[in-house]
Amino acid sequence: DAGITQSPRHKVTETGTPVTLRCHQTENHRYMYWYRQDPGHGLRLIHYSYGVKDTDKGEVSDGYSVSRSKTEDFLLTLESATSSQTSVYFCAIRPGGNTYEQYFGPGTRLTVT
Amino acid sequence: AQSVTQPDIHITVSEGASLELRCNYSYGATPYLFWYVQSPGQGLQLLLKYFSGDTLVQGIKGFEAEFKRSQSSFNLRKPSVHWSDAAEYFCAVGMEYGNKLVFGAGTILRVKS
Repeated sequence: DAGITQSPRHKVTETGTPVTLRCHQTENHRYMYWYRQDPGHGLRLIHYSYGVKDTDKGEVSDGYSVSRSKTEDFLLTLESATSSQTSVYFCAIRPGGNTYEQYFGPGTRLTVT
Repeated sequence: AQSVTQPDIHITVSEGASLELRCNYSYGATPYLFWYVQSPGQGLQLLLKYFSGDTLVQGIKGFEAEFKRSQSSFNLRKPSVHWSDAAEYFCAVGMEYGNKLVFGAGTILRVKS
């Protein structure tokens, strides 16, 4: 158990509304990630963070923003949700140092109607 | 561009039979390689990893994988499959010192009794 929680676990929202997903970790790991999972695509990186207020884009960052004001929390915001953003969103952490693997949270299922 | 290919979308094996899931990657430098497993409705669990050294690595749940640089492959194997192994399996390549993971599209394993 990597001590990662995601909230909410399920959300249904309407097109055009803003949505914020939260990832919380309990072990003060430096690196945090947001992925989306879609059938036939595996997981694709949206954004990641390598420290408080330090973030970078992944391969599918358009329409998403992130913030990390505390080590333990990494927020993903859909500025104006679209149906193409219906997906399962996973948060992950990487302890850093000589540890290169990532550990994943339980996921958030988001439906945009 | 870096990529990971899992050629088999679905595989069905009989319980007790051996299993091999294929993974090929495209990456110029020495890769960090991972296999993850995902049960329905769950997050991803790390099965095993390869960074350097012995090219045959052992993981959890009786799985092993072999890194073959000449074939750019990292195939996952298990000598005897159990019904509880039914899940989706993802191969991933770590780039930029593990800061980013690129995932394959996944292989869904079905186990028949």
